[in-house]
Amino acid sequence: DAGITQSPRHKVTETGTPVTLRCHQTENHRYMYWYRQDPGHGLRLIHYSYGVKDTDKGEVSDGYSVSRSKTEDFLLTLESATSSQTSVYFCAISEMTGLAKNIQYFGAGTRLSVL
Amino acid sequence: GESVGLHLPTLSVQEGDNSIINCAYSNSASDYFIWYKQESGKGPQFIIDIRSNMDKRQGQRVTVLLNKTVKHLSLQIAATQPGDSAVYFCAERGLRDDKIIFGKGTRLHILP
Repeated sequence: DAGITQSPRHKVTETGTPVTLRCHQTENHRYMYWYRQDPGHGLRLIHYSYGVKDTDKGEVSDGYSVSRSKTEDFLLTLESATSSQTSVYFCAISEMTGLAKNIQYFGAGTRLSVL
Repeated sequence: GESVGLHLPTLSVQEGDNSIINCAYSNSASDYFIWYKQESGKGPQFIIDIRSNMDKRQGQRVTVLLNKTVKHLSLQIAATQPGDSAVYFCAERGLRDDKIIFGKGTRLHILP
């Protein structure tokens, strides 16, 4: 999975509890992304980062926050988990080449269940 | 198990035949397109990409065709094998270089 480690791989939590998912990369890529994947919706962008301490919202950012204090780590936090946040979460990384491509490489995913 | 494919269109192909997976994209300004493969329980994996100034690009056993007139993208897999069984996503880059938008995917099912 292209030097990307997501932790935990599986988590079950209760409604209203905080949850933090971690993405760690060893590729030194500038860009990091968090997606969620749900049946019928494909991959939807939650937040992304274009450098240390530089982040921006995606299309489904409500209820999520992120932080990136180091190049290699990108954290996704659910401040107060809800059942609608039950999903599979993927982290991705990319680096713009001289041809300005954006090939994103994905981690193995975190399956989160909010009961 | 993998739940991403519960509501996906499915393409069933005989092993050894060629597969053609289609994708309609939305933004006529998109200049870069990517195909991903996702096997059950794994993250999406890059297969091939194509720029908007090209109509066709070939990789190992895969070919991507781009028709900008009708905003259509297709992925052709030659001599389909059991290991090709997966969900395939197309993705497009729009006006911002640092974000891409994924389609909803097609499940490829290989018949023995």
